[in-house]
Amino acid sequence: GAVVSQHPSWVICKSGTSVKIECRSLDFQATTMFWYRQFPKQSLMLMATSNEGSKATYEQGVEKDKFLINHASLTLSTLTVTSAHPEDSSFYICSASPQVSPLHFGNGTRLTVT
Amino acid sequence: GENVEQHPSTLSVQEGDSAVIKCTYSDSASNYFPWYKQELGKRPQLIIDIRSNVGEKKDQRIAVTLNKTAKHFSLHITETQPEDSAVYFCAASMGGGSQGNLIFGKGTKLSVKP
Repeated sequence: GAVVSQHPSWVICKSGTSVKIECRSLDFQATTMFWYRQFPKQSLMLMATSNEGSKATYEQGVEKDKFLINHASLTLSTLTVTSAHPEDSSFYICSASPQVSPLHFGNGTRLTVT
Repeated sequence: GENVEQHPSTLSVQEGDSAVIKCTYSDSASNYFPWYKQELGKRPQLIIDIRSNVGEKKDQRIAVTLNKTAKHFSLHITETQPEDSAVYFCAASMGGGSQGNLIFGKGTKLSVKP
């Protein structure tokens, strides 16, 4: 079945630094990938839609200059949290799908900013 | 945009009983409704989904019903087991699931007591 790999699974960084999270589709090509954020005991909130070869589409309220998304190939999308602050600490999850198939989620990345 | 409401936020049942979780959506253009099960710290796992051209779908102990007119859909779990304990999320999408953005409900924490 379709597999989405996300790396790293957890990361701790200091306030002010940047963190890059990778999302890979292992056995299919994905022209579109989705990035979600989940705070403790809350639902998944869509942050942005990553489009291969073009700019990402951000949801209302999500700062595009803070959450940089790059989708340089059909199997890789990256989310970079720039100048991270403690309030950015969260669980970030990506998802992607082969055509005509339900979305598959990565394992998520738990980011802790100290 | 789409808005998904989910109820109840917590649900406690005795092992063997049935559990029902209900969701409503606002955008009549939504045509894909998946349900996800999420265990603590893990990624959401698709457990069942339904498309707008179907009114009901069943997979062993799990069933989903959809009422397009009323814009609500429900998850039914019969003969619940302790391993069913998790947080369940409903979602709605206009892109048929593989292309559209998923908008999630806020989740229902299901506890099955042995």
